[in-house]
Amino acid sequence: DTGVSQDPRHKITKRGQNVTFRCDPISEHNRLYWYRQTLGQGPEFLTYFQNEAQLEKSRLLSDRFSAERPKGSFSTLEIQRTEQGDSAMYLCASSLEGASQAFFGQGTRLTVV
Amino acid sequence: AQSVTQLDSHVSVSEGTPVLLRCNYSSSYSPSLFWYVQHPNKGLQLLLKYTSAATLVKGINGFEAEFKKSETSFHLTKPSAHMSDAAEYFCVVSDRGGGGNKLTFGTGTQLKVEL
Repeated sequence: DTGVSQDPRHKITKRGQNVTFRCDPISEHNRLYWYRQTLGQGPEFLTYFQNEAQLEKSRLLSDRFSAERPKGSFSTLEIQRTEQGDSAMYLCASSLEGASQAFFGQGTRLTVV
Repeated sequence: AQSVTQLDSHVSVSEGTPVLLRCNYSSSYSPSLFWYVQHPNKGLQLLLKYTSAATLVKGINGFEAEFKKSETSFHLTKPSAHMSDAAEYFCVVSDRGGGGNKLTFGTGTQLKVEL
């Protein structure tokens, strides 16, 4: 296992289009997190899953955003009707429940033009 | 609610001199605190973590941090900077006492190391 992987690494899309990102966590990790990082800022929490259940969502996660983890393994984050303000790095992390460390992927950089 | 404040957005040091990156936290719980490093085009890497054991925490690459409850601080230090230390550093607090829960990041400190 090589850690948390995210796909794609980069995505350029036109405003108004839908995009979907994928995250594959470390295989035995039951918790999975999505964060968003804009330029010059630290990552901000978006949502997290324990197994297939989405347990918490930030108010940053507008109605245009939806995340799934259907089988408790990989997760997808979809943004509908993208806006220029959605341009950011989207980071995924995973951990074991109760563990003191989360492991991050390299992120997907989204540019909305 | 928890938060962290990184007091310096940019720090510049000469190679071989000490590094100090400052962080203050606020937490309703007994906090878990972390420092992560982010090199360009690479993922976030954990440097060290405090989870209510020893207050002086040693991490990778010669970094360490001291948890001071009275000062609500968790400053990151290294005795001698190396060129490879140039990166963005984030102080992070976790609610409910573990890094396996939601993390709250500071705004980051960009460390520059000069010859």
